[in-house]
Amino acid sequence: AQSVTQLGSHVSVSEGALVLLRCNYSSSVPPYLFWYVQYPNQGLQLLLKYTSAATLVKGINGFEAEFKKSETSFHLTKPSAHMSDAAEYFCAVMGLGGGSYIPTFGRGTSLIVHP
Amino acid sequence: DVKVTQSSRYLVKRTGEKVFLECVQDMDHENMFWYRQDPGLGLRLIYFSYDVKMKEKGDIPEGYSVSREKKERFSLILESASTNQTSMYLCASSGSGGSASYEQYFGPGTRLTVT
Repeated sequence: AQSVTQLGSHVSVSEGALVLLRCNYSSSVPPYLFWYVQYPNQGLQLLLKYTSAATLVKGINGFEAEFKKSETSFHLTKPSAHMSDAAEYFCAVMGLGGGSYIPTFGRGTSLIVHP
Repeated sequence: DVKVTQSSRYLVKRTGEKVFLECVQDMDHENMFWYRQDPGLGLRLIYFSYDVKMKEKGDIPEGYSVSREKKERFSLILESASTNQTSMYLCASSGSGGSASYEQYFGPGTRLTVT
């Protein structure tokens, strides 16, 4: 069975500071990995995805994530936080299970940005 | 743009009622998913479908059923609503075949309250 662990249910940063949201996964096969963002009262939207091409993946709004197989990690970063980045962030893995690709989401990390 | 729509944004139902949540996608996606989202628990997969008239149980199928009679429509049914089913329900769809297609597109969600 696959699983996703997001360290920290809340992360608080100042505007302009580095954003680091942590994600570790377990999967029996090389997975597809995703970060989604959810703004208040909205559904989730894709930030970026890893699909076994480049290990450093760039997404929308200046976010990027690095796939590290040896650490089974896919941490999300942004060099400089903006107030508009305040949202809930979810890491997800799509891995093989029973012959089909099954999605598993982490519990989410709420990013708080202080002026 | 992929559009996933859900029949209601807010719904209030009484205990014991039969509840239908409808989801429609307009991108001819093979795969459709129903999740519930609760604070601190992230997204939990209820059911998914890889084809018309086909369904698979997710992590928490108890108390729910689904129907997929047409490719674009995936319905979630609460046979007898209970207060512990008060939650945000999210529908998603994705294509199949090729790495780019496993990303999911989400609807805006239905906030269901069972009293």
